[in-house]
Amino acid sequence: AQSVTQLGSHVSVSEGALVLLRCNYSSSVPPYLFWYVQYPNQGLQLLLKYTSAATLVKGINGFEAEFKKSETSFHLTKPSAHMSDAAEYFCAVRTAGGAQKLVFGQGTRLTINP
Amino acid sequence: KAGVTQTPRYLIKTRGQQVTLSCSPISGHRSVSWYQQTPGQGLQFLFEYFSETQRNKGNFPGRFSGRQFSNSRSEMNVSTLELGDSALYLCASSLEGTGRRYEQYFGPGTRLTVT
Repeated sequence: AQSVTQLGSHVSVSEGALVLLRCNYSSSVPPYLFWYVQYPNQGLQLLLKYTSAATLVKGINGFEAEFKKSETSFHLTKPSAHMSDAAEYFCAVRTAGGAQKLVFGQGTRLTINP
Repeated sequence: KAGVTQTPRYLIKTRGQQVTLSCSPISGHRSVSWYQQTPGQGLQFLFEYFSETQRNKGNFPGRFSGRQFSNSRSEMNVSTLELGDSALYLCASSLEGTGRRYEQYFGPGTRLTVT
């Protein structure tokens, strides 16, 4: 069974600083990995996805993530935080093939300090 | 192209009642999945429908059910509501096809409050 662990339920950074949100996955078969962002009172928006192509994945809003099989990690980064990045971020995994079923981490709330 | 729409956005029900939530996927998307989001349990998969058939189901009691229509629109129903059913219910649609199959696009959700 797949699972996802997000380290840190709350991360706070200063505007302009590096954003690093951690995600580790567990999967017995090659995974597909995703990062979603949720703004208050909204649904989830897809930031980026890893589907076994390039290990460094670039997404929207300047975010990127690197798939590291040896570390079973898929951490999300952004070089310079912006106030508009304040939101909750979810890492998710699903197996290649099979029905659509995402398994989500517990989420990380990102706060940006001016 | 319009995104995933969900109606209603907010709903207040009483314990013991039943409720039906609606989801219209992105045009051309044939797969619809439902998730429940609560502060305690996070995001949990309810079920997925494709071509009017339930393809996968999460670990929820039989009070939770759904269906999909020929135009890919989906509804989910919760019968005999309990206080613990209070949650944000999210619908997601996906385009079947190579390379894009695994992207799910989410609607804004329906906030259900059970009193």
